[in-house]
Amino acid sequence: EAGVAQSPRYKIIEKRQSVAFWCNPISGHATLYWYQQILGQGPKLLIQFQNNGVVDDSQLPKDRFSAERLKGVDSTLKIQPAKLEDSAVYLCASSWRGYGTQYFGPGTRLLVL
Amino acid sequence: ELKVEQNPLFLSMQEGKNYTIYCNYSTTSDRLYWYRQDPGKSLESLFVLLSNGAVKQEGRLMASLDTKARLSTLHITAAVHDLSATYFCAVDLGGAQKLVFGQGTRLTINP
Repeated sequence: EAGVAQSPRYKIIEKRQSVAFWCNPISGHATLYWYQQILGQGPKLLIQFQNNGVVDDSQLPKDRFSAERLKGVDSTLKIQPAKLEDSAVYLCASSWRGYGTQYFGPGTRLLVL
Repeated sequence: ELKVEQNPLFLSMQEGKNYTIYCNYSTTSDRLYWYRQDPGKSLESLFVLLSNGAVKQEGRLMASLDTKARLSTLHITAAVHDLSATYFCAVDLGGAQKLVFGQGTRLTINP
């Protein structure tokens, strides 16, 4: 069974630029999550989707971050404009209908200069 | 606001020794997860604990959950070098699969 796929794996940008990350969850998983993991910390949930609807985006900085999951499968997370403090690993995870274990992708490592 | 605290944050131990990592959380929850993360890698699920008194074991690792004490433990028996990694506990806030992670425990096992 294929795992959660993410791209790109690494991205370096300058502050005030924009960036987008892509995630493809495990087939059949209705629930998709985006997390931000700053170096030395645990992951922090940014947004949770159930199919193509948002369940929770309370910790998403909506002035600069946006996310969508238009067809209930793939998802894109965008940052515009990026700040230095956005440097982190962005992890995508999925689970079956929001129950049980969340399975994580390899992450996208973002460096903002 | 749910807070999840792990103790210790750093642990260096010798092969063959036993040790325990503690995970305390501040509000009621009966669902807790343990994950492992190797350097530069993503998170790998280790255990899912779904009720008070739950105990799960896999190889040299054993996890338990006491929901009344709001405490989970991850016990390592006769550690081996391959267990060197960062271990995270994560608590399900309100049963909605909204996970709040601890800071992680960086475990180094020396030969």
